[in-house]
Amino acid sequence: GAVVSQHPSRVICKSGTSVKIECRSLDFQATTMFWYRQFPKQSLMLMATSNEGSKATYEQGVEKDKFLINHASLTLSTLTVTSAHPEDSSFYICSAGKGGGLGSEAFFGQGTRLTVV
Amino acid sequence: GDSVTQMEGPVTLSEEAFLTINCTYTATGYPSLFWYVQYPGEGLQLLLKATKADDKGSNKGFEATYRKETTSFHLEKGSVQVSDSAVYFCALKGAQKLVFGQGTRLTINP
Repeated sequence: GAVVSQHPSRVICKSGTSVKIECRSLDFQATTMFWYRQFPKQSLMLMATSNEGSKATYEQGVEKDKFLINHASLTLSTLTVTSAHPEDSSFYICSAGKGGGLGSEAFFGQGTRLTVV
Repeated sequence: GDSVTQMEGPVTLSEEAFLTINCTYTATGYPSLFWYVQYPGEGLQLLLKATKADDKGSNKGFEATYRKETTSFHLEKGSVQVSDSAVYFCALKGAQKLVFGQGTRLTINP
């Protein structure tokens, strides 16, 4: 199967600083990547859809100025949490798909656990 | 909008027990259905999928059948192992997005 690599796997930052999370598709090109947030013992909440070469599409209620997404190439999307606060602490997961059909599989990164202190 | 409902967990079973995790969905059109598994501290891995009614997805002893008449995609395994302990997510894919259920935590005791 395809591989999606997410980095870092864990990060601790101080309140008020910014953190960048990278999501790479290692062996395929992904025109679209997705960013999710997962709260403890809860499901994944789609935050935004990252489109290569254009602006990301954010879900309702997600602050685009706080969660900056850049999809600069067909193999890399980044999520930057700006001016992080303790309530931003969460598990962030990215995914990318090969092809766009209904049955196409989404491949997930291993996730990034962000802790804001 | 599209939605997925899973049975609430946590579910605790003994090794070699029979497993069923219920999943029902609401969707417009004809979505594809998936089961994903998440091991502690990791991302999600696709377990199995079905793309049309009456399709059966299977992998690693797990099975699920796409039932359009009951809008269900229940996950089953005849004999679970300790290594199956994880969180299981049912999901559907409509036009582009994946929609996940709330997840069911499964613990298998030796």
